[in-house]
Amino acid sequence: DAKTTQPNSMESNEEEPVHLPCNHSTISGTDYIHWYRQLPSQGPEYVIHGLTSNVNNRMASLAIAEDRKSSTLILHRATLRDAAVYYCILRSRLSNFGNEKLTFGTGTRLTIIP
Amino acid sequence: GAVVSQHPSWVICKSGTSVKIECRSLDFQATTMFWYRQFPKQSLMLMATSNEGSKATYEQGVEKDKFLINHASLTLSTLTVTSAHPEDSSFYICSASTNGRLADSYEQYFGPGTRLTVT
Repeated sequence: DAKTTQPNSMESNEEEPVHLPCNHSTISGTDYIHWYRQLPSQGPEYVIHGLTSNVNNRMASLAIAEDRKSSTLILHRATLRDAAVYYCILRSRLSNFGNEKLTFGTGTRLTIIP
Repeated sequence: GAVVSQHPSWVICKSGTSVKIECRSLDFQATTMFWYRQFPKQSLMLMATSNEGSKATYEQGVEKDKFLINHASLTLSTLTVTSAHPEDSSFYICSASTNGRLADSYEQYFGPGTRLTVT
C-alpha cells in the first residue's frame, strides 16, 4: 500500500483556518485520497475524499497538488469540536470500496486553542 | 447518513473470562464489517475483515481462536474475546460498508467503539 506522511501534531486558534498537510509521494494513479478524523474516545468519521481535483463539502475542503504527491485538508474556521486526530489514507480506485480495508497511519493530532 | 452502533460501549471483565461485543448497522445492510483495535495513544490496527455468511479473514498476528468473529446477518457482526487477559484491554472499533449499495459507498461507517478493561 502506498504510504502517507503527516505531522504528529498541530495547533490552531479557534475560529481560524487550519491547513493539515499530507505527503503521499508514492501515490499511484488509481489511488483516491481519503481523510477521516477521530474525536476523543470515538470511532473515526469520514471527512472528505478526492482523486485529482480540489473538493469541498460541509465539513472541509481538500486541496490536491497537481502532481498528487501531497494534499491538504482545510478546515475553514476551526471550532473546539474540531479537536481530533486526522488521518490521511490512500484507497485504490480499482478496488471494491466495500471490501477494501483501511490502513491507518499515526495521523495528526489537532489541538484547538480557545 | 448510515449509522453503526456497538454494544456495550464499555465493559470490565475478569481475566480468563470471555466477552462479546456486538456491531450493528442500523439503517443499512453491511455485507462487509471490519474490526479494529486501538491501544492508548496509538492508531487503529485492523484485526479482521468479515463478510456476511463466510469466515472472517484475520490480519497477520491476530489469533483467530482468541478473537472469534461471527457475521451471521447483514446487520450484525460480533467479536468475542475468549479467555481475556489484561493485555487484551483496548478500544475495539467496528466499521461497516455496503459494497456499493449506498450512494456514499466510498465510505466506511464506524461504530463508536467499545472500551474493554480486563482486570
